[in-house]
Amino acid sequence: EDKVVQSPLSLVVHEGDTVTLNCSYEVTNFRSLLWYKQEKKAPTFLFMLTSSGIEKKSGRLSSILDKKELFSILNITATQTGDSAVYLCAAMRGDSNYQLIWGAGTKLIIKP
Amino acid sequence: KAGVTQTPRYLIKTRGQQVTLSCSPISGHRSVSWYQQTPGQGLQFLFEYFSETQRNKGNFPGRFSGRQFSNSRSEMNVSTLELGDSALYLCASSFLGGLGEQYFGPGTRLTVT
Repeated sequence: EDKVVQSPLSLVVHEGDTVTLNCSYEVTNFRSLLWYKQEKKAPTFLFMLTSSGIEKKSGRLSSILDKKELFSILNITATQTGDSAVYLCAAMRGDSNYQLIWGAGTKLIIKP
Repeated sequence: KAGVTQTPRYLIKTRGQQVTLSCSPISGHRSVSWYQQTPGQGLQFLFEYFSETQRNKGNFPGRFSGRQFSNSRSEMNVSTLELGDSALYLCASSFLGGLGEQYFGPGTRLTVT
């Protein structure tokens, strides 16, 4: 059965710290790995990773995919209180019928 | 540019009834996807429509159906509601489709009693 596992499930750090969120996957016909940030209801897109070993960056956030070991990490440096959210990863699978398999999320709390 | 809108935002229904949820994508986006989010199961993919055709489908029973209109607006219908259908239903739109970068709406909170 396809599955996406995120760790830790929750994390509390202080402003300015660096955090690393993990996402491992076991998905048949894997295509891509996506990261989203969910603050209240609507998730917002962060990254989509398709190629192994190529880091994607956006400001203080960066992410990398390891297709050999079947995992991805999301790094946030110099955290701010506005980074507090649930971070979701999803694996895209499929050939003719594509699906997204979502992880349970990591709840990140940044203390001032 | 206006974001993805969903109506209604909240809905209470009784077991056995049916419900229709609506989603208007960002202008110019031709793909609309639907998701169910519950505390126990997390986010689960329902289906994606592109240019009025269902292109991708998750593993939900046939009680869950959808359609897309020529203006890209989409509706999702759930028939014979069960208590377990209580959830936040999110829709997302994208320009290119294919479940890549998507823009989510605020969701419809459905409660089945």
